[in-house]
Amino acid sequence: RKEVEQDPGPFNVPEGATVAFNCTYSNSASQSFFWYRQDCRKEPKLLMSVYSSGNEDGRFTAQLNRASQYISLLIRDSKLSDSATYLCVVNEMGGSQGNLIFGKGTKLSVKP
Amino acid sequence: SAVISQKPSRDICQRGTSLTIQCQVDSQVTMMFWYRQQPGQSLTLIATANQGSEATYESGFVIDKFPISRPNLTFSTLTVSNMSPEDSSIYLCSVERGGLFFGPGTRLTVL
Repeated sequence: RKEVEQDPGPFNVPEGATVAFNCTYSNSASQSFFWYRQDCRKEPKLLMSVYSSGNEDGRFTAQLNRASQYISLLIRDSKLSDSATYLCVVNEMGGSQGNLIFGKGTKLSVKP
Repeated sequence: SAVISQKPSRDICQRGTSLTIQCQVDSQVTMMFWYRQQPGQSLTLIATANQGSEATYESGFVIDKFPISRPNLTFSTLTVSNMSPEDSSIYLCSVERGGLFFGPGTRLTVL
């Protein structure tokens, strides 16, 4: 099975900082892309989908570069509550979400 | 979104025993997915459970080890059979609803 690679971190940043995570995927035929957030000892939760044109949701901006096969997540004005592990997720085959490939996650710690 | 519950939330089991994990969804869904998250690892799909047919297992997972039931459109069970310490993991059920939503997980420790 193809891979999704992420920098495991941890990223330790002060409140208010801007932080960016990158993720690369190996299957050029991948169909759709997502960022999930997983708090310690909790289940993953969908943060946002990633569209080819890029998309923004408040302080969060996701970008997709199909040519280079990478996905990014930018968090502006970091809050303490942003501390979590961020999972990059790729749907290789389209259709069912059960075809998702998860990265191991990047851990973010926002300090006061 | 979806409201998903799992039971038990955690368990400590002896080698060689079996544990059945239950997953309940707040509304009917066609497919339910069972994932495993081992310490420090990414989530891995075990199988897809469809109502009225046998589950579809991913490479590396077999029905004898992880039998699945799907008696109706809101419920599924995953059994971890003949457990060994290598089965210690978090097991999560999930459903698709405009994105993949997960239950709270079952934290299994096998001694």
